Amino acid sequence: EIVLTQSPATLSVSPGERATLSCRASQSVSKKLAWYQHKPGQAPRLVISDASTRATGIPPRFSGSGSGTEFTLTISSLQSEDLAVYYCQQSGDWPWAFGQGTKVEIK
Amino acid sequence: QIQLQQSGPGLVKPSQTLSLTCDISGDSVSRNDTAWNWFRQSPSRGLEWLGWTYGGWQWYNDHVVSVKGRIIINPDTSKNQFSLQLTSVTPEDTAIYYCARARSGAFAYWGQGTLVTVSS
Repeated sequence: EIVLTQSPATLSVSPGERATLSCRASQSVSKKLAWYQHKPGQAPRLVISDASTRATGIPPRFSGSGSGTEFTLTISSLQSEDLAVYYCQQSGDWPWAFGQGTKVEIK
Repeated sequence: QIQLQQSGPGLVKPSQTLSLTCDISGDSVSRNDTAWNWFRQSPSRGLEWLGWTYGGWQWYNDHVVSVKGRIIINPDTSKNQFSLQLTSVTPEDTAIYYCARARSGAFAYWGQGTLVTVSS
């Protein structure tokens, strides 16, 4: 089974600065990697699918990159509303799996 | 426009059965290319993917050991909805439960979430 490891566990970033989140897969998942934003009190929201495709309604400050085993979610200029836990999820091999999450805090 | 609307009680007594329903609009529970899922989230365990109903069969996540043998996910094609039943609940099952749709490997649509508290 593929294991996804996210780093760091917590990321503190000042408003307007860049946030870079990492997701590493234990085996290649090609480009079948998605990112989700989970804010307190809300349902998770799909941010990125297929490693780099922004979901509907997601602002362009969010971008995804990578393939194989190394993936990155970048928030180019962090806004206060971006405070959330971000999960990566692979569908390149069964069973699908989620990472343990990165909590993004506003410094 | 695809919407998932959850319903069910927010309070369940220990040893009883938790039952939640997810009504689907704008899509069909019968589609063979779409999985209809249940998740839960709690501060102690984070986000847990419980399982799905997909093309008439069901899959349950063995990694969520705490619900093994107690979970049933069923589609209801006549009402275009799917349900979650969790039997013999304990306070450890207290969580926010979410339904979600998966297609092409991603969970793009989610229900609003239901806080279920297990308490006498």
